[in-house]
Amino acid sequence: NAGVTQTPKFQVLKTGQSMTLQCAQDMNHEYMSWYRQDPGMGLRLIHYSVGAGITDQGEVPNGYNVSRSTTEDFPLRLLSAAPSQTSVYFCASSYADRGGYTFGSGTRLTVV
Amino acid sequence: AQSVTQLGSHVSVSEGALVLLRCNYSSSVPPYLFWYVQYPNQGLQLLLKYTSAATLVKGINGFEAEFKKSETSFHLTKPSAHMSDAAEYFCAVSAPQGGKLIFGQGTELSVKP
Repeated sequence: NAGVTQTPKFQVLKTGQSMTLQCAQDMNHEYMSWYRQDPGMGLRLIHYSVGAGITDQGEVPNGYNVSRSTTEDFPLRLLSAAPSQTSVYFCASSYADRGGYTFGSGTRLTVV
Repeated sequence: AQSVTQLGSHVSVSEGALVLLRCNYSSSVPPYLFWYVQYPNQGLQLLLKYTSAATLVKGINGFEAEFKKSETSFHLTKPSAHMSDAAEYFCAVSAPQGGKLIFGQGTELSVKP
């Protein structure tokens, strides 16, 4: 049982480049979310999904896109990377609001 | 809308002392509340959760938390700190059928020998 798998673990981008952070879960969870973690700011919600075909914005959605074509996958796209997007990104999934989320191990992204 | 405030970005205790990490929440509907722990360079692990059953919730590693509606609080405690408890702790809130989990800013716990 792999849980929540994020790839890549590390990435360096140049300003203006685009990329996709991958997230996959094998627990048949309906709920999936993306967070960014910055020192002193906790985890901030970027986008979330309550099921395939349904996504919504979180607290800090600007500069990011998501889609949810299957229950298992929830990729996060950076359209044009900026230094302000340097952060650690976590994907998480849950079967319900009361269930608590299972987190991936994170992607450390640096934009230069 | 939901929000969480964690009082104290850094707490330091001696080994064997009481651990108290404070969390206050705001929610327009009865909330679900969670505590997570993050060890250095790792993801987050669920410590415990409150989902409207017993107000005193016991979690892993000897931690517990009490939901107090009148105080809108969900403070995390452990009677006796261990060196291995040193980590960052996050309080989080969600609402039924809301689909999103909102975190506080985190509290870093240091344990002195």
